[in-house]
This record gives sequence, C-alpha cells and structure tokens, in this order.
Amino acid sequence: NAGVTQTPKFQVLKTGQSMTLQCAQDMNHNSMYWYRQDPGMGLRLIYYSASEGTTDKGEVPNGYNVSRLNKREFSLRLESAAPSQTSVYFCASSEGGVGYTFGSGTRLTVV
Amino acid sequence: EDQVTQSPEALRLQEGESSSLNCSYTVSGLRGLFWYRQDPGKGPEFLFTLYSAGEEKEKERLKATLTKKESFLHITAPKPEDSATYLCAVSNNAGNMLTFGGGTRLMVKP
Repeated sequence: NAGVTQTPKFQVLKTGQSMTLQCAQDMNHNSMYWYRQDPGMGLRLIYYSASEGTTDKGEVPNGYNVSRLNKREFSLRLESAAPSQTSVYFCASSEGGVGYTFGSGTRLTVV
Repeated sequence: EDQVTQSPEALRLQEGESSSLNCSYTVSGLRGLFWYRQDPGKGPEFLFTLYSAGEEKEKERLKATLTKKESFLHITAPKPEDSATYLCAVSNNAGNMLTFGGGTRLMVKP
C-alpha cells in the first residue's frame, strides 16, 4: 500500500549542478504529475504525463525536463539548478482525472 | 484559465468553535472540486471530491459543499488535531491537471 513514492526526501545542490527526482506509483494509474510548492504560491504544475509515452508542460516548466520511464515511473530532471528552484516538489498520480494521490515530497535547496 | 482563491489565508479557532473555509473558483467546465488536508512536512491528503452544484460530503467533523462559484469546508466542533493547511483544487473537463488555491492554514487551540 505504498501509493506514490518519491526519492530523495531531501537534497541540497550547488548552483549549476544537475539532479533527477524519482517518482513511482503502484496504483496502476495512467496519469502522473510533478508539482512544486512555494510559500504563498500554492502548488503549481511543472509537467504532467496523461499516459505512458506522453508528457506535456504545465504552468512552470522552464528549467525542468521529465521522463515517463514506464507506467509506474515519472522522473523530473534539473539540468542546471538555480536558487529559484529551491522548493518542495510533489509527485502525484491519478486515474480518469479523479482520485489524485500525492507523494510525501522532496525538499530541494539550491545554494 | 482556471483560478482558485481560498479565504481566509489563516484561521485560529478555539477547540469546539465551528467555522467555515471558503474556496472560490472559475473553471472552463468543472469536472471536479477537490479538498485536501496537508500537515507540515507532508504531502496533500485527499478529503473530498465534489462534482456538481448542490452536492455535499461529510467526514467526521468536516462537511464540504459546492455551488456554481464556490465551495465551503465546514468544520464542526474542531479539535486540535484538525490543525493543518486545507487546500482546494479544481479539475476542468480536459481532466489533465489540478489547479490549486493558496490554502487556508487552520490552527485549533485547546
């Protein structure tokens, strides 16, 4: 009953470094999402994948890339981290546009 | 563009003092309105989905209602363990994503 699992839980990067945030779900959902949460800004969509093999930009895609590796896994990559990308990142999955389930988040600090 | 506004931003209640949280929305064809609870350091936890005006759902001390322009989360006789941030979100008929409001931080004091 893991639901949505995100790794790592915490990460500190130096400006210009790259990293990949991993997300996996075990609910057989078709759709997966990456959100970022900043104080006073709420949750904002970065990228989503409506089904295996497809990805689309959300509200704030600049500086990020994604890969839908298979039905279970959806990764988020920062190629050259910037301080503005300091945030809490949440992965979510859903089926049919309902029943969105979120992971516990990755807290990223870019110094 | 879908928009969600929540008020108030923060709410302090005494234990047992009932109140309501507001979520106003504009959406290009509502597919669903969602309420989530978020505890510090954790991901959003699903509470309710409402699909059409007039619909109501209840869970313990929480009751969510929906009109064509807004949703209310009523909290009856709250307890300190109800302290959390409550998030409202909408999904439109394209059904590709959730658009969130900024949240209401609820603090219930014993």
